[in-house]
Amino acid sequence: DTAVSQTPKYLVTQMGNDKSIKCEQNLGHDTMYWYKQDSKKFLKIMFSYNNKELIINETVPNRFSPKSPDKAHLNLHINSLELGDSAVYFCASSQDPPAGAEQYFGPGTRLTVT
Amino acid sequence: EDQVTQSPEALRLQEGESSSLNCSYTVSGLRGLFWYRQDPGKGPEFLFTLYSAGEEKEKERLKATLTKKESFLHITAPKPEDSATYLCAVQARTGANSKLTFGKGITLSVRP
Repeated sequence: DTAVSQTPKYLVTQMGNDKSIKCEQNLGHDTMYWYKQDSKKFLKIMFSYNNKELIINETVPNRFSPKSPDKAHLNLHINSLELGDSAVYFCASSQDPPAGAEQYFGPGTRLTVT
Repeated sequence: EDQVTQSPEALRLQEGESSSLNCSYTVSGLRGLFWYRQDPGKGPEFLFTLYSAGEEKEKERLKATLTKKESFLHITAPKPEDSATYLCAVQARTGANSKLTFGKGITLSVRP
C-alpha cells in the first residue's frame, strides 16, 4: 500500500565502504528523484530519472551513481563513503510535467558514516 | 538560479493563535510553487501546488496563497498536531528539468 518505499531506513557504515540504497514506487509515475537532506534540514536535488533515462545530475561527486532498472525503481550506489556523506537521503517520484508535477517522497534513509 | 527563502526559521504558537508562514522566491518562469509538511523522521508530505498569482488553496486549517514574488501559508486556529516543519519549493517552467528547489523550512511548534 506504500506509495514510495526505501530500504534500508538506517545505514551505519565506516569511511571508505561502498553502500546502496533502494527505492521503489507503485504510483505508476514516470519520473524518480534522489534528494539529500543535510543536518540543517536543507533538501537538495541530486538526480532525476525519467523512464530509466538520467535527466538531472546536480554536480554530485561521481562516487554517487544512480541506477534505474525500470521506471518503478531507482537505486543509489555510493562508493568510498566519506564523513560528509552523512545525511538523510530521500527518494521521490512524480508524473511527467505538465501532468501534475507534485513529487511524492519516501520515508528517507538516514546514512551515518563513521 | 532559482532561490527560495522562508521566514521565520521557527515559529511557536499557542493553540488557537493564527499566523502566517512566508515563502519568498525568485525563479525563471514559475511552473509551480509547492508546500510540503515534514514530521520528524519522515519524508515530506505534499500539501498544495499553486500555479499562478492570485491562486489560493485550502485544506482544513491551512490556506496557501501566491503572488508573483511570495507565497503565504496561513494557519487558522492551529492545534498541537499541526506542529511540523513546513517546506516551500518552486519548479521552473524552463526546459524539461522538473527539479524542485526547496527553502530551508519553517519549524512550527503549537503549544496546547
